[in-house]
Amino acid sequence: NAGVMQNPRHLVRRRGQEARLRCSPMKGHSHVYWYRQLPEEGLKFMVYLQKENIIDESGMPKERFSAEFPKEGPSILRIQQVVRGDSAAYFCASSLESGLYYEQYFGPGTRLTVT
Amino acid sequence: DQQVKQNSPSLSVQEGRISILNCDYTNSMFDYFLWYKKYPAEGPTFLISISSIKDKNEDGRFTVFLNKSAKHLSLHIVPSQPGDSAVYFCAASPRPANFGNEKLTFGTGTRLTIIP
Repeated sequence: NAGVMQNPRHLVRRRGQEARLRCSPMKGHSHVYWYRQLPEEGLKFMVYLQKENIIDESGMPKERFSAEFPKEGPSILRIQQVVRGDSAAYFCASSLESGLYYEQYFGPGTRLTVT
Repeated sequence: DQQVKQNSPSLSVQEGRISILNCDYTNSMFDYFLWYKKYPAEGPTFLISISSIKDKNEDGRFTVFLNKSAKHLSLHIVPSQPGDSAVYFCAASPRPANFGNEKLTFGTGTRLTIIP
């Protein structure tokens, strides 16, 4: 009964490199959300995806950030040409497919450090 | 524009006593509220939730109270235990438009320390 899985747990990138963060939702969950937590702040919504569809990307920076959730495989959050301000903890959450109210369950996060 | 506010960054409570964590919100479209607990270097763990049709929800030692007119909710933990020491986040979402799921808006968290 695995929970939400994220990898890598820690990622170090130099400025200008690309970062790829992966998220496998809980079994049976088809909704995936990405959040970012900057130091000493709460979590901020980035993007909401269902299989092969982006539902809401209102929290994603317009440039350099993209996300996908393919039919097969994990959801990927991709950050191109990283800058120091991208250093943060990135959390993925998943929830059940249908129903009115469902809790979102979070993974352990990926801590991105840009040097 | 902080739509969900947790005005107490930290709280210390004696073991065995009641811990009360508070949360205020400004967006009247929020319809569903959740509390998460977070340990360092881990993801948030879901604790308890409440929808706007209720004013109280209880699960073991945890009770959440919702006052819609005041746009205020609180989490009560009784009795408090040392393992409860963590950062607690309040989160809210609007009523889903088409029976789907909506993004969560989080507060900035309250660090709870239980003193043995």
